[in-house]
Amino acid sequence: AQKITQTQPGMFVQEKEAVTLDCTYDTSDQSYGLFWYKQPSSGEMIFLIYQGSYDEQNATEGRYSLNFQKARKSANLVISASQLGDSAMYFCATGGGTSGSRLTFGEGTQLTVNP
Amino acid sequence: DGGITQSPKYLFRKEGQNVTLSCEQNLNHDAMYWYRQDPGQGLRLIYYSQIVNDFQKGDIAEGYSVSREKKESFPLTVTSAQKNPTAFYLCASSIWGDTQYFGPGTRLTVL
Repeated sequence: AQKITQTQPGMFVQEKEAVTLDCTYDTSDQSYGLFWYKQPSSGEMIFLIYQGSYDEQNATEGRYSLNFQKARKSANLVISASQLGDSAMYFCATGGGTSGSRLTFGEGTQLTVNP
Repeated sequence: DGGITQSPKYLFRKEGQNVTLSCEQNLNHDAMYWYRQDPGQGLRLIYYSQIVNDFQKGDIAEGYSVSREKKESFPLTVTSAQKNPTAFYLCASSIWGDTQYFGPGTRLTVL
């Protein structure tokens, strides 16, 4: 079984600053993927970034980067230069390995960007 | 434009009624999924389908049913056996083993 833990129910950041959202995972699979999704108040889930367990480099997508520490089983999302539009719920998820395409989600972190 | 559509956006149901939520995709993805989200919580997998005419139960399948007669469509029926159906329902699709992309969701309320 796979499990995701997001320990920060809410985070606040000033506009233009960087913020790190924490995610730890638990899996017995050797091969797996880690995903981050953004959910604005409208409800849709927007894919942000993916990290494969065998990827040696940390994934980056524009202002998003994933700080992957395999030994610690952590996959933190870093958002640089926060914008007001970044205010949303952020979910970490894992899948792959014996789970195939099935994803297991954490409970999310509500990020608020202050002007 | 390729994407996933879900309808309706809001749905109200009386207790004891079955209701069907629609999910359509034109991304040519083989795999489709249904998730449930309760307030302040993450997503939980209800059912998924890797290919047409095949589907598997997820973690919380009781009280739900699905069909997959066409590649593009994966409707979810919430039956009267589902004890607490009020929730936000999200459909997703993917190439199997690849990133899942989500529709806009349907908010179901039982009156």
